[in-house]
Amino acid sequence: SQQGEEDPQALSIQEGENATMNCSYKTSINNLQWYRQNSGRGLVHLILIRSNEREKHSGRLRVTLDTSKKSSSLLITASRAADTASYFCPLSGYALNFGKGTSLLVTP
Amino acid sequence: DTGVSQDPRHKITKRGQNVTFRCDPISEHNRLYWYRQTLGQGPEFLTYFQNEAQLEKSRLLSDRFSAERPKGSFSTLEIQRTEQGDSAMYLCASSSNVGARVEKLFFGSGTQLSVL
Repeated sequence: SQQGEEDPQALSIQEGENATMNCSYKTSINNLQWYRQNSGRGLVHLILIRSNEREKHSGRLRVTLDTSKKSSSLLITASRAADTASYFCPLSGYALNFGKGTSLLVTP
Repeated sequence: DTGVSQDPRHKITKRGQNVTFRCDPISEHNRLYWYRQTLGQGPEFLTYFQNEAQLEKSRLLSDRFSAERPKGSFSTLEIQRTEQGDSAMYLCASSSNVGARVEKLFFGSGTQLSVL
């Protein structure tokens, strides 16, 4: 099954900085979702953007979608140490298909 | 219900033993999923249920793995004759899907299996 591929694999920033991670995919989509996973825990749904939407906001999160380039980006503004986690952009079929994710480290 | 519950949180077993994990989804959710995740990788789909019916199984899923969801409520995942390669985090998720494509999944905290 097709899956979203996150880039970069790892990202390290300081508190207060913005973090941007990208997602690329190869198939047509109805929607794209972003999830966060703190170390050793389950995943938490962050945001869903539909194929007819270009941008969506939720708190400090901003997600964009460019279906012509088959790519999405997740921007976390004013990052905090608690944002340290892995971030995934799974594609939807009858199940969600996950890539390896972006590991974000936010240092104080 | 506050979320998806998984039990146990940790399981250590010896190679060759059988293990069983339990998942209690959010009560009104009709779909239940099992995933497996190893260190540094994303979750890998194993199987899913729509109510009590098991609709899909990953081709990667060994015959030693079996899952049930009697009465469309909680689910169990059993691994027979465990191998060291089965060591992983086993994640359960549920959703209240009505369409073919799944949207928001709610995940449990997982069961960490260590096979010695």
